Amino acid sequence: NAGVTQTPKFQVLKTGQSMTLQCAQDMNHNSMYWYRQDPGMGLRLIYYSASEGTTDKGEVPNGYNVSRLNKREFSLRLESAAPSQTSVYFCATSPTGGAVYGYTFGSGTRLTVV
Amino acid sequence: QKEVEQNSGPLSVPEGAIASLNCTYSDRGSQSFFWYRQYSGKSPELIMSIYSNGDKEDGRFTAQLNKASQYVSLLIRDSQPSDSATYLCAVNMGAGTYKYIFGTGTRLKVLA
Repeated sequence: NAGVTQTPKFQVLKTGQSMTLQCAQDMNHNSMYWYRQDPGMGLRLIYYSASEGTTDKGEVPNGYNVSRLNKREFSLRLESAAPSQTSVYFCATSPTGGAVYGYTFGSGTRLTVV
Repeated sequence: QKEVEQNSGPLSVPEGAIASLNCTYSDRGSQSFFWYRQYSGKSPELIMSIYSNGDKEDGRFTAQLNKASQYVSLLIRDSQPSDSATYLCAVNMGAGTYKYIFGTGTRLKVLA
């Protein structure tokens, strides 16, 4: 039982390159989320998927796109990476939509854009 | 702008003492409140949730909620060096929303 698995764990990109961060969960949770964490800024919501087939913007969606591939998988894509996207990215899940339950987080992806 | 405020710390307490961590929030419609613990270089881990005014106890942890004053706190009794971490407060932004706002966290140091 792996919980929430994020890949890769570390990545260095050059400005303008693209990449996809992967998140997969085996918890049978309906809702999935992508956050970024920056020093002094806390966790900020990028995109979320309340249930399979739906996605919505969060607080800081610019420069990102998402795909809810199926109930288990939620990917985050950076089309043209910028140094401002250097951050730690966390995927999180919760049992249902509605902010009633707490999250289970993946281990994170540390992304550096040079 | 809906906000969740925490003192960044560090809050230093001796081993065995009670650590008190506080969080205030701006949205009176908030209904769900959470505390997460995050060790350096690791992901946040849910430790407490609270939904009603009053106290909720779980082992050495007690969450306290006062909706009238718009604050939520976390007490850690018999603090241990292993409790040294950053504690994040998270608040949902009103009924029917899927979103939380996280505070920036309070760093706790428990001194042996």
